[in-house]
Amino acid sequence: DAGVIQSPRHEVTEMGQEVTLRCKPISGHDYLFWYRQTMMRGLELLIYFNNNVPIDDSGMPEDRFSAKMPNASFSTLKIQPSEPRDSAVYFCASSRGQGAIHYGYTFGSGTRLTVV
Amino acid sequence: QQQVKQSPQSLIVQKGGISIINCAYENTAFDYFPWYQQFPGKGPALLIAIRPDVSEKKEGRFTISFNKSAKQFSLHIMDSQPGDSATYFCAASSNDYKLSFGAGTTVTVRA
Repeated sequence: DAGVIQSPRHEVTEMGQEVTLRCKPISGHDYLFWYRQTMMRGLELLIYFNNNVPIDDSGMPEDRFSAKMPNASFSTLKIQPSEPRDSAVYFCASSRGQGAIHYGYTFGSGTRLTVV
Repeated sequence: QQQVKQSPQSLIVQKGGISIINCAYENTAFDYFPWYQQFPGKGPALLIAIRPDVSEKKEGRFTISFNKSAKQFSLHIMDSQPGDSATYFCAASSNDYKLSFGAGTTVTVRA
């Protein structure tokens, strides 16, 4: 299994530009999570999906952020317009759940976003 | 507001020593407590996890101790090795599978 695949690995963009981050979860996992990691705030959950349906987007910082999961093998996180304070490492993680059983998350390698 | 409080922020241990990281939580609905290990440039990776119906779980050199009444849990790394140098995160979730992470502890193992 190739694990959770994120692209791009690094993104440098100018303030005001649109940024799209991509994620391919592990096949068979029915949960997908988007996290943001910064030194100041640590790992923050932005949004998560179950069976391609957004369940909780309360962590999305502003309307500039949006996420979609059009099918079980692909998700995007979009920031438009981007701002310097959006600079962070964005992680996608996938998992499967079965009632009370947690199987843990598998994280991708992350996308390091720099907005200048 | 962080739902899981982790300490210390960083620690240095000699090779062969014991590293101890502590976490505390308030939400009594939490029923799953994993630890993740993260190396620079990589995503966090699941290390070991525990449920509140047991007080201790051991996997190799890594042990979780869990105190349900105190709402605390800790990670012990025995016989610490230079390859254990990483950032460690505790986390917790309830039946919504949504993990809340601690702030992280950077462990440095000196040879």
